[in-house]
Amino acid sequence: AQSVSQHNHHVILSEAASLELGCNYSYGGTVNLFWYVQYPGQHLQLLLKYFSGDPLVKGIKGFEAEFIKSKFSFNLRKPSVQWSDTAEYFCAVNYMGRRALTFGSGTRLQVQP
Amino acid sequence: DTAVSQTPKYLVTQMGNDKSIKCEQNLGHDTMYWYKQDSKKFLKIMFSYNNKELIINETVPNRFSPKSPDKAHLNLHINSLELGDSAVYFCASSPAGSDTQYFGPGTRLTVL
Repeated sequence: AQSVSQHNHHVILSEAASLELGCNYSYGGTVNLFWYVQYPGQHLQLLLKYFSGDPLVKGIKGFEAEFIKSKFSFNLRKPSVQWSDTAEYFCAVNYMGRRALTFGSGTRLQVQP
Repeated sequence: DTAVSQTPKYLVTQMGNDKSIKCEQNLGHDTMYWYKQDSKKFLKIMFSYNNKELIINETVPNRFSPKSPDKAHLNLHINSLELGDSAVYFCASSPAGSDTQYFGPGTRLTVL
């Protein structure tokens, strides 16, 4: 079955620390990859996406992610987090031919001032 | 100018009742979706409609019935509500030829 794994369920960082959130997906052929963010009490917002081309993609608010095909991974990174980055982060995969996203279980990021 | 909107934002109801959640998008997108987010924040696809036609119907109890009166609307009707239906329901849409989905603000359903 197609599945997405996010290894870190809860991450606590201090401001200015670097962030890396892991995401792995099960093999299923060609995929499109996404990271969404959900701020407290708000809806899901797209951070960044990868369809093809340069495996290092840059998104909004200083986030970036790297697609490593051989590892079926799409990890999210930010060099220096801010208190306002406190949110739930979701990795999602679209397996070609299926018009729906398969989500990971989410990572709760807590940034302490 | 809200892109994907849902009503109501909060819905509290008794077990056994029937309720509806409405979704509208003004983006001109062709495909609309319903996702359920459980208490552990896990998001799962329920239904997907493309140009008013059902294309994805996951393993969802048939108490849940989506209805798409036109391309811009996808409503979710739930019969005989159960405690386990308590969740946040998100509507989303995507344009033709793209898998990028845009989400609504969610509807928090609480069944007592």
